[in-house]
Amino acid sequence: SQQGEEDPQALSIQEGENATMNCSYKTSINNLQWYRQNSGRGLVHLILIRSNEREKHSGRLRVTLDTSKKSSSLLITASRAADTASYFCATDLSYSGGGADGLTFGKGTHLIIQP
Amino acid sequence: EAQVTQNPRYLITVTGKKLTVTCSQNMNHEYMSWYRQDPGLGLRQIYYSMNVEVTDKGDVPEGYKVSRKEKRNFPLILESPSPNQTSLYFCASNRHSGANVLTFGAGSRLTVL
Repeated sequence: SQQGEEDPQALSIQEGENATMNCSYKTSINNLQWYRQNSGRGLVHLILIRSNEREKHSGRLRVTLDTSKKSSSLLITASRAADTASYFCATDLSYSGGGADGLTFGKGTHLIIQP
Repeated sequence: EAQVTQNPRYLITVTGKKLTVTCSQNMNHEYMSWYRQDPGLGLRQIYYSMNVEVTDKGDVPEGYKVSRKEKRNFPLILESPSPNQTSLYFCASNRHSGANVLTFGAGSRLTVL
């Protein structure tokens, strides 16, 4: 069952600009994660934000979480050509602290950075 | 290097010919899982395993089998593949503690004719 939905489905921006992607979900979560996928390759974990956190930073990445609106955003600042990829949000519904059964992925946002 | 290794990376087969996609991780993770990725549908979980000899169905288990005889290995078995199982498959693993962060394999692209 699909839990997270990313928006937009596709985004094309110029190198150096900021990219913002959004994720909405339906039920209460333990944490929310963002993953990146380069074309045809495996997903790579980028950042995790817990349900009791509102904002988190990692390098050029900034993630926010609004549990009242059941939504999250991923901001990539000063984009580079190498940021071209698909970005997925994944919601962890498990409350036991572990278990792949609790992780549900959205369909992804395809980001293209134009040089 | 900590990693999840899948084989084969690419496979073209015919309907009904049994095949196995292997998955191995070297991180001593308790949890392993299989996903398939299809255009417009995102990633969907096929099966997962919480530990050795413990497996359970995900969202789309029909037509697939798994086994977990050893902690490091989690093969995906297609007993009688059909064209609707043409997809990109990913194995993933994570540690059974704290946050549920997955490490993915590089993917196996399967085509069933």
